[in-house]
Amino acid sequence: DTGVSQNPRHKITKRGQNVTFRCDPISEHNRLYWYRQTLGQGPEFLTYFQNEAQLEKSRLLSDRFSAERPKGSFSTLEIQRTEQGDSAMYLCASSLVVIETQYFGPGTRLLVL
Amino acid sequence: GESVGLHLPTLSVQEGDNSIINCAYSNSASDYFIWYKQESGKGPQFIIDIRSNMDKRQGQRVTVLLNKTVKHLSLQIAATQPGDSAVYFCAEIGVGTDKLIFGTGTRLQVFP
Repeated sequence: DTGVSQNPRHKITKRGQNVTFRCDPISEHNRLYWYRQTLGQGPEFLTYFQNEAQLEKSRLLSDRFSAERPKGSFSTLEIQRTEQGDSAMYLCASSLVVIETQYFGPGTRLLVL
Repeated sequence: GESVGLHLPTLSVQEGDNSIINCAYSNSASDYFIWYKQESGKGPQFIIDIRSNMDKRQGQRVTVLLNKTVKHLSLQIAATQPGDSAVYFCAEIGVGTDKLIFGTGTRLQVFP
């Protein structure tokens, strides 16, 4: 399977704990995006990388959130001191710079108790 | 699995009929548009895209129409099948940005 992969697929945590999600983009895709989706809504942009560089961050990305893409391949999204409002589906997408089509992974469903 | 779009507009069609899903986009400067299909518990799946210099594009069983005058997109699905049942989102990318902005989704229900 050469699509975008995300791990874990589901995560249940207690309020105040830290969580980290991983995204592996389609091979050779140099752009990687993170989105968040809550029930009944479309995905909302969080941040994106071109290779290792983080080029844009949404205002939704509070200081408890941090994303990295250290080698320009996989990316991690960490949420510190989780809150119940962080419960959502976290989606990763990737694309090529010259072709804007973004392909999504299956998402990580986070539930904060 | 969980349900995507619990309170979304719903379009119900009979199997074999054609479906038309509409979307109003927000930015008149947007120059690239994509339709995604999202099944319950899964990530959005690319269906078809169109650039602002076009007003129509056809794929396999799907057609996207773009009306820039009224900032409107539509997705036409021919001979709708039960496997087409899902939530459909339109998304736009504006000039000078690379992030997708998603519209309100529409749930498509296909009845036998």
